Amino acid sequence: DSGVTQTPKHLITATGQRVTLRCSPRSGDLSVYWYQQSLDQGLQFLIQYYNGEERAKGNILERFSAQQFPDLHSELNLSSLELGDSALYFCASSGLIGGGEQFFGPGTRLTVL
Amino acid sequence: AQSVTQLDSQVPVFEEAPVELRCNYSSSVSVYLFWYVQYPNQGLQLLLKYLSGSTLVKGINGFEAEFNKSQTSFHLRKPSVHISDTAEYFCAVSLSGNTPLVFGKGTRLSVIA
Repeated sequence: DSGVTQTPKHLITATGQRVTLRCSPRSGDLSVYWYQQSLDQGLQFLIQYYNGEERAKGNILERFSAQQFPDLHSELNLSSLELGDSALYFCASSGLIGGGEQFFGPGTRLTVL
Repeated sequence: AQSVTQLDSQVPVFEEAPVELRCNYSSSVSVYLFWYVQYPNQGLQLLLKYLSGSTLVKGINGFEAEFNKSQTSFHLRKPSVHISDTAEYFCAVSLSGNTPLVFGKGTRLSVIA
């Protein structure tokens, strides 16, 4: 158990819909990262938050957004969903010690029908 | 920008045989290097990391990796594999601690009894 929790575990929805994925980092970790894992693109970095502020942005679509709340949990919002958004979405967190090792949650599997 | 190449997409190996999973990276600056393992239907777990210092890094489950700066490689090795090592292995780089990871496409290790 990494200490990072993600809900829900599975999500099935239709094209055009909007969903919210939730992540709670390890206790004390200020950084939260979102990654997307798909068969064709592999593991891709989407966005990073550090103590409530956006720190880095990767290959995140404009239809996607995220935020980190004062209690440090994070939400990834995916809107106007397309079939190609079906993927495994991972959240990871890291702290100030340990060389920035990232601890990954179990992921949310999103299926868009 | 950094990139990671995992030279083998699949590696079959017999139980108790040695294995090497290859990883090459590209970066114009110094990077941190990581190997993660993903078991079926699970998140990613850190096997080992190289930040600086000794080029031979030992990790969990009997794995080790060697950093070779001149060849920009970070190959993962295990002298004797078990059935339980069957999983997907990802090599990753980051610029420093608490920065996003750039992953390779992964190598699927299949251990055959």
